[in-house]
Amino acid sequence: NAGVTQTPKFQVLKTGQSMTLQCAQDMNHNSMYWYRQDPGMGLRLIYYSASEGTTDKGEVPNGYNVSRLNKREFSLRLESAAPSQTSVYFCASSLDGGNPYGYTFGSGTRLTVV
Amino acid sequence: AQSVTQLGSHVSVSEGALVLLRCNYSSSVPPYLFWYVQYPNQGLQLLLKYTSAATLVKGINGFEAEFKKSETSFHLTKPSAHMSDAAEYFCAVSDSNDYKLSFGAGTTVTVRA
Repeated sequence: NAGVTQTPKFQVLKTGQSMTLQCAQDMNHNSMYWYRQDPGMGLRLIYYSASEGTTDKGEVPNGYNVSRLNKREFSLRLESAAPSQTSVYFCASSLDGGNPYGYTFGSGTRLTVV
Repeated sequence: AQSVTQLGSHVSVSEGALVLLRCNYSSSVPPYLFWYVQYPNQGLQLLLKYTSAATLVKGINGFEAEFKKSETSFHLTKPSAHMSDAAEYFCAVSDSNDYKLSFGAGTTVTVRA
């Protein structure tokens, strides 16, 4: 099925460990996004990629890095995980930025840092 | 820059009753407005969107929302709640100058039998 695929779905890390969350879309979208969701705070933008080859910081970028590997894939890396990064992470894509179509979301990665 | 305020973090309704979820936004340019629904342990699904056409927008599952520029509001309604409407609902705003969607904090809807 067409859409946004995130891996893994669940992950437990120890403080200080690193990991990469993977995201791929097959809708030929130009723009991709990483959000984190925390109770009572909605979704907050971590990083986004307006087009292949570009990335920009969002609202909460500290502690994260991203790579737009190609048009389809956009990964999120935690270099040294902290308990404050326990969250649900969503990847999303859109045809273009500033567009009226909204985003298509993946099903999320539930990350726990102990 | 845009921002979204959703009034009420939790709403409880009886099955068959009206569902009303409130959303107010701020935007310096004409906005695009969206409502998303999130069922437990799932991603976000688009319910409906306003893109400067008709001010009354109809979406999936019997939901609709009305854009009121004078009130900077985009409230979501459904005339008759069903048990399957139990979920979290997010209002979001963007504009033609920006790539990013800004989300409200969300409203959790519970439906009583």
